[in-house]
Amino acid sequence: DAGVIQSPRHEVTEMGQEVTLRCKPISGHDYLFWYRQTMMRGLELLIYFNNNVPIDDSGMPEDRFSAKMPNASFSTLKIQPSEPRDSAVYFCASSLAATRGGYTFGSGTRLTVV
Amino acid sequence: GQQLNQNPQSMFIQEGEDVSMNCTSSSIFNTWLWYKQDPGEGPVLLIALYKAGELTSNGRLTAQFGITRKDSFLNISASIPSDVGIYFCAGSYSNFGNEKLTFGTGTRLTIIP
Repeated sequence: DAGVIQSPRHEVTEMGQEVTLRCKPISGHDYLFWYRQTMMRGLELLIYFNNNVPIDDSGMPEDRFSAKMPNASFSTLKIQPSEPRDSAVYFCASSLAATRGGYTFGSGTRLTVV
Repeated sequence: GQQLNQNPQSMFIQEGEDVSMNCTSSSIFNTWLWYKQDPGEGPVLLIALYKAGELTSNGRLTAQFGITRKDSFLNISASIPSDVGIYFCAGSYSNFGNEKLTFGTGTRLTIIP
């Protein structure tokens, strides 16, 4: 398997623009997680899905952030409008219920909002 | 959100030295995991622990699940250059560690030539 695939790897956008980050989980995995990593706050869980259904979105910073999982092989994280404080590395991860081993992260998307 | 406290925050060691780091929490976890992150990449799982008191090794790495279930330890023996990176602990309330994880603040390991 190719692992968790995220795109784009890097994104530079202007403040106020819409940004969409994409994630393809490992085939067969039924949990999908979106994390944000910054120097100040470390790794923060934003939202996670089980079988395409959002389970906990309490980490989503504000209404400007939204996430969807239309099917088992694809998820998006959207920021609209983007702000400079959204600059961070965004990671997607997936796992399989009832199996040991934590979860597998993608390589991340480095977002810079100028 | 809750974060786990990791110590130390950073370490500067010479190649060949042993490394020890720990992680503490105010909450009890059912699973503890240790991840390593290389620059420009996502964290990669090193060791997972599922039972209080459990001691598990993976090559030169050894980790322990604290008996109180509120802490965990990671040791690296005879460090080599590829050990450089950031080490994160993570705790989970699930028995498999595959659901919501809470991550530690990280320990940055640097090897001095």
